[in-house]
Amino acid sequence: QQQVKQSPQSLIVQKGGISIINCAYENTAFDYFPWYQQFPGKGPALLIAIRPDVSEKKEGRFTISFNKSAKQFSLHIMDSQPGDSATYFCAASRPKYSGAGSYQLTFGKGTKLSVIP
Amino acid sequence: DARVTQTPRHKVTEMGQEVTMRCQPILGHNTVFWYRQTMMQGLELLAYFRNRAPLDDSGMPKDRFSAEMPDATLATLKIQPSEPRDSAVYFCASGLVRSDRLLNYEQYFGPGTRLTVT
Repeated sequence: QQQVKQSPQSLIVQKGGISIINCAYENTAFDYFPWYQQFPGKGPALLIAIRPDVSEKKEGRFTISFNKSAKQFSLHIMDSQPGDSATYFCAASRPKYSGAGSYQLTFGKGTKLSVIP
Repeated sequence: DARVTQTPRHKVTEMGQEVTMRCQPILGHNTVFWYRQTMMQGLELLAYFRNRAPLDDSGMPKDRFSAEMPDATLATLKIQPSEPRDSAVYFCASGLVRSDRLLNYEQYFGPGTRLTVT
């Protein structure tokens, strides 16, 4: 059972355009929603994250929009640049062990973004 | 520049051989995760440790995979015997969990070990 569904699988955007990647989750116990960026041959790196008590978070050209009632969240990359070409993963986390402070991330399948000049 | 290190970066082995992957988490981090990445399945959590104790290894095939943390600076993932379907990139990540109410959820990933089993 895939708990986090990500779309699209791949995305081609013109330089300067807006890249939008969407994710939907099923488990209402999720309480942390990060986005990771992965370049070829590298490990994923945290890009930006949001908690469900806010509807939007912006860091530079990257914005997360969060819709708790729809159980959806999305990543917007403004003024997309060729250097943004990478695979982007959304993820969700929930505490599994009550009182233990433990957590694990469930990842979407990823979106390969290509920004063309 | 603190970072997670993994060795080896690449491993090619024959089916049936034992494979050991190593990870050095960021100094001071108390949580270590092992993930497997494939084109078909994406990123899958295999196991994770907190304060060197295994908390969850339900993602691992128990008959052939094992994960340990001999000390705070070393985590290992072992496959014995290896099979072609184990071919994937294996990532280690570490993080710091402070308390139930002040969780730092961020995970820092290593560069991965690309395993090919022929």
